[in-house]
Amino acid sequence: DAGITQSPRHKVTETGTPVTLRCHQTENHRYMYWYRQDPGHGLRLIHYSYGVKDTDKGEVSDGYSVSRSKTEDFLLTLESATSSQTSVYFCAITSSPGDRSSYNEQFFGPGTRLTVL
Amino acid sequence: GQQVMQIPQYQHVQEGEDFTTYCNSSTTLSNIQWYKQRPGGHPVFLIQLVKSGEVKKQKRLTFQFGEAKKNSSLHITATQTTDVGTYFCAGPIGSNYKLTFGKGTLLTVNP
Repeated sequence: DAGITQSPRHKVTETGTPVTLRCHQTENHRYMYWYRQDPGHGLRLIHYSYGVKDTDKGEVSDGYSVSRSKTEDFLLTLESATSSQTSVYFCAITSSPGDRSSYNEQFFGPGTRLTVL
Repeated sequence: GQQVMQIPQYQHVQEGEDFTTYCNSSTTLSNIQWYKQRPGGHPVFLIQLVKSGEVKKQKRLTFQFGEAKKNSSLHITATQTTDVGTYFCAGPIGSNYKLTFGKGTLLTVNP
């Protein structure tokens, strides 16, 4: 695998509590992504980062915030978790999106299963 | 909004039968990628297609990119139980810095 870890791997929390998920990479890749995966919806992009302190929203960003203070870490925060945020969260990295001369495949972490009661 | 649509959503086959999943984009793509996710696992990159009409093979898997670069297919010949999983297509829509994924096709194989 591409040196991506996610923590925690499993979490159960209650509605209204804040939750932070961490993605850590050892590859020094510039681009990092957070997805959520739900049955019938596939993978949906929440937020992504194209460098330290540079982030942008994906298609399902409401209720989520992100931070990237170091190249290797990309944090996803649910400020006040809701039951609709129960999901499996995947972090991904890529080395060179936008460069047509090289592959820009994404490498995924193992995922975090979050349950909000 | 711009989308990547994938059919079928589910496919159950007997071992040895062929399998095909289809992907359609609402817009022309610079490239299309395919991923496989085993049950309980994470998506793993399979291949990227870039050229119009491109065909690539990986053993029993054949990938095609349409002439208009808006559709693609993945065909598996003589499925095996190891092929079980969800197959996703994905393409950069609106930006080369992020991928839009199809909802995936879940393949189950009866031994």
